Amino acid sequence: KAGVTQTPRYLIKTRGQQVTLSCSPISGHRSVSWYQQTPGQGLQFLFEYFSETQRNKGNFPGRFSGRQFSNSRSEMNVSTLELGDSALYLCASSPGANVLTFGAGSRLTVL
Amino acid sequence: GQQVMQIPQYQHVQEGEDFTTYCNSSTTLSNIQWYKQRPGGHPVFLIQLVKSGEVKKQKRLTFQFGEAKKNSSLHITATQTTDVGTYFCAISGGGGTSYGKLTFGQGTILTVHP
Repeated sequence: KAGVTQTPRYLIKTRGQQVTLSCSPISGHRSVSWYQQTPGQGLQFLFEYFSETQRNKGNFPGRFSGRQFSNSRSEMNVSTLELGDSALYLCASSPGANVLTFGAGSRLTVL
Repeated sequence: GQQVMQIPQYQHVQEGEDFTTYCNSSTTLSNIQWYKQRPGGHPVFLIQLVKSGEVKKQKRLTFQFGEAKKNSSLHITATQTTDVGTYFCAISGGGGTSYGKLTFGQGTILTVHP
C-alpha cells in the first residue's frame, strides 16, 4: 500500500514568489491535512480537507491556501513568500479518525 | 485552543538507559497520540490512548494516560541507538471542530550515546 506522497521534496524560492506543493494521500483516505514544521514553532496545523471541502483551518494568514481534488489529492499554495515561510511542509492523510499518516514533506527555503 | 506542554525538551542518555517524556494539559483530554520523528524524517504515528489510566506497551515502549486524562507519558526501557529522534505527543479537540487538527507538544529530542 503506497504511503503519502509529497512533491516536490525540496525547493528554493525568493521572497515575493509563490509556491504550490502537492500531496497524494493513501488510497482510500479522504481526509488530507497540512502542517508547517519549523524549529521555532514546531508542528502547526494549516488546514484539513475532506471530499474537496475545507473543514478546518489553522491560524495562518490568507497567503496560505489549499484545495482538494475529487481524487483526494491536495495542493497547498503560499503566495508572496516571506523569509519566515521557510519550513518543512507536511501533508498527512487519514481515514477520518484523526490518526495521521504523514508524507516525507516538502522542504521550502525562501531566500 | 487546547495546548499541551511536553518535557523535557532534550534528553541525552547512554545506550541501555531508560528514557521518559511527559505531556501535560490543563484541560481534560479526549485522547492523546504519540508520534516519533527520526532525524531528517517525518512524524510517524506510534499509538493513541483514549481511556483514563490506560497503559499500552509496544516492545520496549510503555505509554500511559493519566487517571484524570490530563497527562501522558512515554517510557522507553533500555534505549538503543535506533530510538534516536524526536518524540511528540499530540491532542485533538474532539468533535467536528477538530477535523485533521492535532495540537502537538514541542517534542522531546532523544539522543542515545553508544
